[in-house]
Amino acid sequence: RKEVEQDPGPFNVPEGATVAFNCTYSNSASQSFFWYRQDCRKEPKLLMSVYSSGNEDGRFTAQLNRASQYISLLIRDSKLSDSATYLCVVTNMFSGGYNKLIFGAGTRLAVHP
Amino acid sequence: NAGVMQNPRHLVRRRGQEARLRCSPMKGHSHVYWYRQLPEEGLKFMVYLQKENIIDESGMPKERFSAEFPKEGPSILRIQQVVRGDSAAYFCASSPKRDREETQYFGPGTRLLVL
Repeated sequence: RKEVEQDPGPFNVPEGATVAFNCTYSNSASQSFFWYRQDCRKEPKLLMSVYSSGNEDGRFTAQLNRASQYISLLIRDSKLSDSATYLCVVTNMFSGGYNKLIFGAGTRLAVHP
Repeated sequence: NAGVMQNPRHLVRRRGQEARLRCSPMKGHSHVYWYRQLPEEGLKFMVYLQKENIIDESGMPKERFSAEFPKEGPSILRIQQVVRGDSAAYFCASSPKRDREETQYFGPGTRLLVL
């Protein structure tokens, strides 16, 4: 079983739509949670961190449910520029106090006019 | 402040050749992570280095792969006797300190194609 699982998509949505992505992780000891965005043939870029209390950044809302080991990302009012692959990322704590990012395979989003 | 630099951006090798991938971390960063992304897959951790030290190489294949981060110069990921299955995007990331809350900044990646 993969440590981080995501629906690969693609999600094809019109501009202005609301779209939600989900992610589950298997290690209950995971410490930190993120959504990254990766454009085609580019490096991943941090979109936002995810907290149990939920957090919002403009049109983006992220939620974490530790009990269910489930992370979500909601994008409202989709723009063409939101088309990308969205990567769910968790970190596991190591005794040396460093981060090892564990990536999901990503969910592809295509926003069309 | 320049970001993380990787070169070459694209590398073509024939089976059996060696591939050397370079990563220059952001200024002031002394911690480097290497990740590999196979086609249609997520990034997978390979190795974590500090200057002159390998801290965690649990994601490195046992043979043919090695990494270093010398006191001077970039971090190098070296793949000997490449095979077709090594074709992938290799990303490095840097951070300024060893801290589990610290953000890692990614370079643009090196795309290796093995013919």
